[in-house]
Amino acid sequence: DAGITQSPRHKVTETGTPVTLRCHQTENHRYMYWYRQDPGHGLRLIHYSYGVKDTDKGEVSDGYSVSRSKTEDFLLTLESATSSQTSVYFCAISTGDPYEQYFGPGTRLTVT
Amino acid sequence: AQSVTQLDSQVPVFEEAPVELRCNYSSSVSVYLFWYVQYPNQGLQLLLKYLSGSTLVKGINGFEAEFNKSQTSFHLRKPSVHISDTAEYFCAVTGSGNTGKLIFGQGTTLQVKP
Repeated sequence: DAGITQSPRHKVTETGTPVTLRCHQTENHRYMYWYRQDPGHGLRLIHYSYGVKDTDKGEVSDGYSVSRSKTEDFLLTLESATSSQTSVYFCAISTGDPYEQYFGPGTRLTVT
Repeated sequence: AQSVTQLDSQVPVFEEAPVELRCNYSSSVSVYLFWYVQYPNQGLQLLLKYLSGSTLVKGINGFEAEFNKSQTSFHLRKPSVHISDTAEYFCAVTGSGNTGKLIFGQGTTLQVKP
């Protein structure tokens, strides 16, 4: 157990509203990642972080922003949610070996 | 660019039968390969990984995978499956020297029948 929590676990929101998802880790690992999971697409990387205030884009970053002001927290923000962002969002951390990732329980987001 | 293709979206199999889940990848650089499992309504759990060395990799729960560089494949196998192996399985790849970003395949649902 890598001590990863995500909040909220479920959220329903309306199109056009801002949404922030939180990923929290308890062990101060350097690398953190946000993925979305959609049927037929597996998981796709949205953004990742390699340290406090150090972030970079993944393959599906449009419409998302991230922030990491503390080692333990990595926030994902949808500035103006759209129906295409309905998905399950997973946070992951790397324990030091950057090739081994551990995943949180996920957040199911529905945009109506 | 790297990509991963899982050749079967669903694999039905009877309990105690052997199973193989197929994964092909494309990359112009050296790769590291992974298999993850996702049980219903849960996050992903690492089954096994190939970084270097022996091409036959053993993982948890009796699974193993073989890295074949010439065929660019990393197929997952288990000699005898159990009902509890019913889950979705993901193959993933990352290139050397980057920050561990993973490229996932589309997933294969393993359905073990009694």
